[in-house]
Amino acid sequence: DVKVTQSSRYLVKRTGEKVFLECVQDMDHENMFWYRQDPGLGLRLIYFSYDVKMKEKGDIPEGYSVSREKKERFSLILESASTNQTSMYLCASSQLNQPQHFGDGTRLSIL
Amino acid sequence: AQTVTQSQPEMSVQEAETVTLSCTYDTSESDYYLFWYKQPPSRQMILVIRQEAYKQQNATENRFSVNFQKAAKSFSLKISDSQLGDAAMYFCAYRSEFNSNYQLIWGAGTKLIIKP
Repeated sequence: DVKVTQSSRYLVKRTGEKVFLECVQDMDHENMFWYRQDPGLGLRLIYFSYDVKMKEKGDIPEGYSVSREKKERFSLILESASTNQTSMYLCASSQLNQPQHFGDGTRLSIL
Repeated sequence: AQTVTQSQPEMSVQEAETVTLSCTYDTSESDYYLFWYKQPPSRQMILVIRQEAYKQQNATENRFSVNFQKAAKSFSLKISDSQLGDAAMYFCAYRSEFNSNYQLIWGAGTKLIIKP
């Protein structure tokens, strides 16, 4: 079974802090994704990575950056956290065009 | 740009009954994939069923089946013999065959409540 592990289920940070959300997958998948989930909006893609050190912007990349130094790990970085980044963040991975597998999500609150 | 619409924010069904969740989408493409994902209170998004647009036959997975109407751009999910464990948010999603980043376009979700 594919395992996608997000480092925290709940996280509370302060405005202006630099925040790191970590995601690790154990199936040697090429693709990894970071989504943001807000009520009534479904999931929106923040960034996508198709290989180590390769990334593409999704629909809402503003205020975020990502890092993929190793194939199994994909990090989402909030450079200077703001209250409008309070949300649920979901990481996913997939092998090429196969269905995406998701982690349990990180509920992030920015105070 | 493609869009996915789930017009039912919330649905409820009696345990053991059948329920249908609606999904419509807008695209000008002919080749694509459609998915239903389930997100229970535990929060992990789980794939329920998927459909390739080129296949005329509706996909089925045990108690879950879809009604795929390509011309009408409709992709509804039918859950038979509903169980308490089916209570969750259900999301419909679209993926283009030609999108190199494999991006999924998501609906807003439908909350399914199962009444015992």
